Amino acid sequence: DTEVTQTPKHLVMGMTNKKSLKCEQHMGHRAMYWYKQKAKKPPELMFVYSYEKLSINESVPSRFSPECPNSSLLNLHLHALQPEDSALYLCASSQLPGGLVYGTDTQYFGPGTRLTVL
Amino acid sequence: ELKVEQNPLFLSMQEGKNYTIYCNYSTTSDRLYWYRQDPGKSLESLFVLLSNGAVKQEGRLMASLDTKARLSTLHITAAVHDLSATYFCAVVAYDNTDKLIFGTGTRLQVFP
Repeated sequence: DTEVTQTPKHLVMGMTNKKSLKCEQHMGHRAMYWYKQKAKKPPELMFVYSYEKLSINESVPSRFSPECPNSSLLNLHLHALQPEDSALYLCASSQLPGGLVYGTDTQYFGPGTRLTVL
Repeated sequence: ELKVEQNPLFLSMQEGKNYTIYCNYSTTSDRLYWYRQDPGKSLESLFVLLSNGAVKQEGRLMASLDTKARLSTLHITAAVHDLSATYFCAVVAYDNTDKLIFGTGTRLQVFP
């Protein structure tokens, strides 16, 4: 099973709403990532979790709040978003922290959540 | 700041033709990744190139890495419509973290 799942597939929310994105993998991977991708642009890294601990925060605004409750699950909590936050949010995982740098890992991406902020 | 640039940004090619996509990066790295993304879909890993001179092939796609030139190529042989997608290269950030910096992307369109 090399699947990363994400829910919901689509989300429309107002600027005052609170919502959460969910990502799950059952490959035993211990590094998980959140990316944001605007149309016709490359993915931009937001957060990295290594062994369930936040290891990289790419200066993301606090209206995005990540959470890693266990090794299989990654959440992204959203609050008071702006219309410019509308994008495709991608979750990814890789086998081990440091595996991209020192090992032979690759990242497995989920299908994404398409977020629209009104 | 690590920069990863691809060219061309857009490629329209006829079925059966050959072409090469180039990926240049601005800092030392000995590994590079290629991904494919279909419109509105997620990213699919194509190749992981782990050393200078690495070459990998899958079907009509062949990727290579020249770390001295800081250049990777993705060569398409006898293109077919199913190859139409956006292709991204990605390089591990120079700070040795699990941070991938993606290239600008090349949108490939193959027509009959």
